Amino acid sequence: KQEVTQIPAALSVPEGENLVLNCSFTDSAIYNLQWFRQDPGKGLTSLLLIQSSQREQTSGRLNASLDKSSGRSTLYIAASQPGDSATYLCAVRTGAGSYQLTFGKGTKLSVIP
Amino acid sequence: SAVISQKPSRDICQRGTSLTIQCQVDSQVTMMFWYRQQPGQSLTLIATANQGSEATYESGFVIDKFPISRPNLTFSTLTVSNMSPEDSSIYLCSVGLGPTEAFFGQGTRLTVV
Repeated sequence: KQEVTQIPAALSVPEGENLVLNCSFTDSAIYNLQWFRQDPGKGLTSLLLIQSSQREQTSGRLNASLDKSSGRSTLYIAASQPGDSATYLCAVRTGAGSYQLTFGKGTKLSVIP
Repeated sequence: SAVISQKPSRDICQRGTSLTIQCQVDSQVTMMFWYRQQPGQSLTLIATANQGSEATYESGFVIDKFPISRPNLTFSTLTVSNMSPEDSSIYLCSVGLGPTEAFFGQGTRLTVV
């Protein structure tokens, strides 16, 4: 059974700092990995999707990496801003024919002005 | 991408009653998914809803407790029946555009008193 772990559970940083969020998964046979942002009352927003054949994806100040063999992904946020404060979720899809996502519990990020 | 509208955004309900959550998508999709996020926990898939067929429930979830309708390719409902305080959670509707990127509604925050 796939299990996804996110460390740390919470993180507080001053504005402008670069930071890394970590995600690990137990079964390396994944189809893809997706990072989401969750804001209270606003559901989940997809940030980056990495296919199993890819090593990284970038969008603006966000960069996500994937090391499938070691079961790890990182989300790098450059020059953090107070608006980045949210809970960040990592989710893996196990197979090409499977639509099911397995989620971690998330990392709650607070960026202090 | 897909835009998903979910109603209601939040509700406070009496134990023993039922609540129906609606999910509307701005495009036709084959599969829709319902997730539950209990306080402090990760998202857990409740069921997969295909248009024109019975929903497929994950282990630990049953149709009598969480009946689902899927009358067409853009709409689905999830009912939480005979509610107890343990049902207090965020319920989220999701769609996948092929087995790749997943999109979520804003969620329904349910409190059972």
